[in-house]
Amino acid sequence: DQQVKQNSPSLSVQEGRISILNCDYTNSMFDYFLWYKKYPAEGPTFLISISSIKDKNEDGRFTVFLNKSAKHLSLHIVPSQPGDSAVYFCAGGNAGNMLTFGGGTRLMVKP
Amino acid sequence: DSGVTQTPKHLITATGQRVTLRCSPRSGDLSVYWYQQSLDQGLQFLIQYYNGEERAKGNILERFSAQQFPDLHSELNLSSLELGDSALYFCASSSWGGTGGDTGELFFGEGSRLTVL
Repeated sequence: DQQVKQNSPSLSVQEGRISILNCDYTNSMFDYFLWYKKYPAEGPTFLISISSIKDKNEDGRFTVFLNKSAKHLSLHIVPSQPGDSAVYFCAGGNAGNMLTFGGGTRLMVKP
Repeated sequence: DSGVTQTPKHLITATGQRVTLRCSPRSGDLSVYWYQQSLDQGLQFLIQYYNGEERAKGNILERFSAQQFPDLHSELNLSSLELGDSALYFCASSSWGGTGGDTGELFFGEGSRLTVL
């Protein structure tokens, strides 16, 4: 049972444009959601999070939107930069900080 | 640098063998988590330890076991290895102490890449 799904395995965007990465979940018990970024040969690094009681959180070029009724969250990156090229994982979390990750979306930002 | 250290970084072994992966969490973190990432797959939660005790179990095979020692480092033992066990194994730590209130962020090590031939 995949509780967190990222249906787009890859996304290609032109530098300067907006990147939108999507994530769907089924577990209503998640207390918060996080996005992680992963470069090759490195561990995932935390990018941004959102509490389940909020619908938006912004940090610089990164904004996460949460639609609880649709069980959907998205990560917007504006403007996209070549250095943003990486694999992005969304995750749902609950008590104990056990994170359930999606399958990841590979973002390629073209110069 | 996340502060989480994993060794070895790379490991090549044969089917049927046993290996041990080691993880040192960030200073002060009591919780350690193990995740597996197979080729082009997401991160699959294996097991969590909090202050030496098993806290949560995920999709961990019976051939795999883990423990967290008094100094808070953790080891993941993989035995009777099969070709399908080839994967990246990540350790993560957090300051979670059961009281909640934090962002839920986990800090990941760089992973141990296991290749079973």
